[in-house]
Amino acid sequence: GQQVMQIPQYQHVQEGEDFTTYCNSSTTLSNIQWYKQRPGGHPVFLIQLVKSGEVKKQKRLTFQFGEAKKNSSLHITATQTTDVGTYFCAGFHSGGGADGLTFGKGTHLIIQP
Amino acid sequence: NAGVTQTPKFQVLKTGQSMTLQCAQDMNHNSMYWYRQDPGMGLRLIYYSASEGTTDKGEVPNGYNVSRLNKREFSLRLESAAPSQTSVYFCASSITGKNTEAFFGQGTRLTVV
Repeated sequence: GQQVMQIPQYQHVQEGEDFTTYCNSSTTLSNIQWYKQRPGGHPVFLIQLVKSGEVKKQKRLTFQFGEAKKNSSLHITATQTTDVGTYFCAGFHSGGGADGLTFGKGTHLIIQP
Repeated sequence: NAGVTQTPKFQVLKTGQSMTLQCAQDMNHNSMYWYRQDPGMGLRLIYYSASEGTTDKGEVPNGYNVSRLNKREFSLRLESAAPSQTSVYFCASSITGKNTEAFFGQGTRLTVV
């Protein structure tokens, strides 16, 4: 079936270091969304990318959508303890398939003070 | 504004028992979803409803049934619970299926013993 692969599964960083998570799909995505889930919480929408090659920024977070619309990345500059959580990418696949978001397995960000 | 409300928040079932997880949204959204979240597996789509009166299977529908009672409510039923259905269940809704963010409920933590 259609899958969205996300790496790494876990990432330990020192506070102040940068963090990147990557998302890859075997099929073209019509768009990609990113969500953050705090420990014990529910996923919360961060951003959506639609256009090929699109780059969006939210303060220390930079989101990119690949030219082929098959991959995406989230980069956090100078991590803070408030960034702790699991980051999920989620995509809708072009050309049919389930009309629901397909989520990657997420990257758990662990920050060591 | 309550957003997406799920009940119950916690539930323990014995193997073979049945139960219904309730979900309601007050945002006048057309699309609603049920996901399950297991450690290391991310969020997997169980069923979705693109609009009132329609439901479709997602990635892991076996052992579940759903009802889109009206535009606001989307329930998930376990007819004969199994230990493999121990999970955290999230309901979500969005204005339409694609290109719109999903809003998640707080989740239901279900344990089947």
